[in-house]
Amino acid sequence: ETGVTQSPTHLIKTRGQQVTLRCSSQSGHNTVSWYQQALGQGPQFIFQYYREEENGRGNFPPRFSGLQFPNYSSELNVNALELDDSALYLCASSLTTSGVHEQYFGPGTRLTVT
Amino acid sequence: AQSVTQPDIHITVSEGASLELRCNYSYGATPYLFWYVQSPGQGLQLLLKYFSGDTLVQGIKGFEAEFKRSQSSFNLRKPSVHWSDAAEYFCAVVSNSGYALNFGKGTSLLVTP
Repeated sequence: ETGVTQSPTHLIKTRGQQVTLRCSSQSGHNTVSWYQQALGQGPQFIFQYYREEENGRGNFPPRFSGLQFPNYSSELNVNALELDDSALYLCASSLTTSGVHEQYFGPGTRLTVT
Repeated sequence: AQSVTQPDIHITVSEGASLELRCNYSYGATPYLFWYVQSPGQGLQLLLKYFSGDTLVQGIKGFEAEFKRSQSSFNLRKPSVHWSDAAEYFCAVVSNSGYALNFGKGTSLLVTP
């Protein structure tokens, strides 16, 4: 069974640029959630994708957007990068059938905005 | 909104000693609760979860947690800590939406020889 994978591992961008982060869900999972973890903080929910549509969103501006593909992999796009976007971005996959299911996290992408 | 509080930012224990990490939740009905562990520079690993039923849940790596409704708590315990347990521990609760996790700020565990 393949776990959640994310790419790239690390990324350095300049303020104002755009970035795309990628996530492959765990085998058998159909739902992907994205979280932002600032240094010294707990992860904050950005959004979730299920059946290729945004299923819910946290308190993040529209310049944070995403996609989910037919194979359940996902992308997180951030436009007009700000210094405060520097964080560890975590992807989590789960299986949505009914009820609540646990989320399994990938290793994250460390984004540094200069 | 459902939330969790982890009162201890840092905890230091000696190797071989017992461990208890505190987590308090805020929610009217029965919450869905989780404990995750994060090693330096790594993602989150699920240790255990509570959805319903038996209030004492067993997890991986010898961890257990007890759900106490009367105290709104879900504390994580381990009888004997190993040096490899040094990490950041996060308590989380499923949000009102039913799909997002709301995390505490974490407790950093240091294990001394």
